[in-house]
Amino acid sequence: SQTIHQWPATLVQPVGSPLSLECTVEGTSNPNLYWYRQAAGRGLQLLFYSVGIGQISSEVPQNLSASRPQDRQFILSSKKLLLSDSGFYLCAWKAGFSYNEQFFGPGTRLTVL
Amino acid sequence: QQPVQSPQAVILREGEDAVINCSSSKALYSVHWYRQKHGEAPVFLMILLKGGEQKGHDKISASFNEKKQQSSLYLTASQLSYSGTYFCGTHNTGSSNTGKLIFGQGTTLQVKP
Repeated sequence: SQTIHQWPATLVQPVGSPLSLECTVEGTSNPNLYWYRQAAGRGLQLLFYSVGIGQISSEVPQNLSASRPQDRQFILSSKKLLLSDSGFYLCAWKAGFSYNEQFFGPGTRLTVL
Repeated sequence: QQPVQSPQAVILREGEDAVINCSSSKALYSVHWYRQKHGEAPVFLMILLKGGEQKGHDKISASFNEKKQQSSLYLTASQLSYSGTYFCGTHNTGSSNTGKLIFGQGTTLQVKP
């Protein structure tokens, strides 16, 4: 069966510090991968998605970036965090080219102080 | 274009019914429904792929009217476990290879004993 992992689970970082969040998927190959951010009490905002290794599409211009160095690994990064980057970051995967459902990881709660 | 959900919030007593609506201004190919408990990741409920399709399991069902570009989620004889925030996610026609979902702002459902 497939599982999706995210770490860390929680993170408190000062403004201006770098960020690296990791997401890995097990039990499937060539998944589509997604990064979402959810501000407190708000909806799900799609940040990046990837349909293959090294292929990244950005949905929202900001100081975040994403990379997919391996088939089942998706990384969200920032060189300098802003207060507005605080939120709940969710990684999700979907089986390849289809209208299948997305499965979400447990999320990382980021607080920027 | 983000789909619009209504109502924004609803409070029920156990055993009562509720309907959550999701409308889009763009043509839709599919609609996904998710439920998110506080502090947790969204969990997939169901996907509707065809116009007029109706799906359901247990006491939660949904319909999709492709012509009207809207979907409704029906919760029958609500239980305490139904509490949470419900999101619809929409696929616009032509986005099958990316699997991109645009989520509504969410509907918070609270079921009281």
